Amino acid sequence: QVQLVESGGGVVQPGRSLRLSCAASGFTFGNYGMHWVRQAPGKGLEWVAVMSYDGSDKYYADSVKGRFTISRDNSKNTLYLQMNSLRAEDTAVYYCAKPYGSESYYLPLDVWGQGTTVTVSS
Amino acid sequence: DIVMTQSPDSLAVSLGERATINCKSSQSVFYSSNNKNHLAWYQQKPGQPPKLLIYWASTRESGVPDRFSGSGSGTDFTLTISSLQAEDVAVYYCQQYYGPPMTFGQGTKVDIK
Repeated sequence: QVQLVESGGGVVQPGRSLRLSCAASGFTFGNYGMHWVRQAPGKGLEWVAVMSYDGSDKYYADSVKGRFTISRDNSKNTLYLQMNSLRAEDTAVYYCAKPYGSESYYLPLDVWGQGTTVTVSS
Repeated sequence: DIVMTQSPDSLAVSLGERATINCKSSQSVFYSSNNKNHLAWYQQKPGQPPKLLIYWASTRESGVPDRFSGSGSGTDFTLTISSLQAEDVAVYYCQQYYGPPMTFGQGTKVDIK
């Protein structure tokens, strides 16, 4: 079945870096743009970043632009999120998510991972 | 950025009664090139990731019970649960996917009265 599994979360000090991974299975990963979405404790959903199927297009939320980098390795069916200069406000559960079609990455998100928790604290 | 505003923030409905959630976008999410509203609804239960319920404003995702329905166009949208069941207790989010960045509403918590 279609599955996304995030990993790499943890507790990190402000200003440090962390890299999240999202392992995909059950679908042709290389055909789909992929997203990261986060949710701070007790808060709503915040879209973070998207990368096109081939890596040629990337977009970021203003809140992470210049600090986070989305990337992918289609040979490993894996999506990444490199997070630098982390701040307390980056504390959240980070989800990777797949759009329901491959014709565009601006489509509703029909498959979500279970999320990985990032805590930024001294 | 398109701002999505949901109302109310929370509501409590008796079992079997109707629940209605509204979502307003700061600009139209109707895309004339495909004649569709780029608006989705998600359900999130505690400790779980969001689940897609409705897309293109009114198309029900496969497997979603038909008591869930979506309506609206342009900037004003509604999610209706026609007969609330205990398993529908959750937070519901609207989302626009008209363009970057995707944005979500703040969420509406639905409880049993």
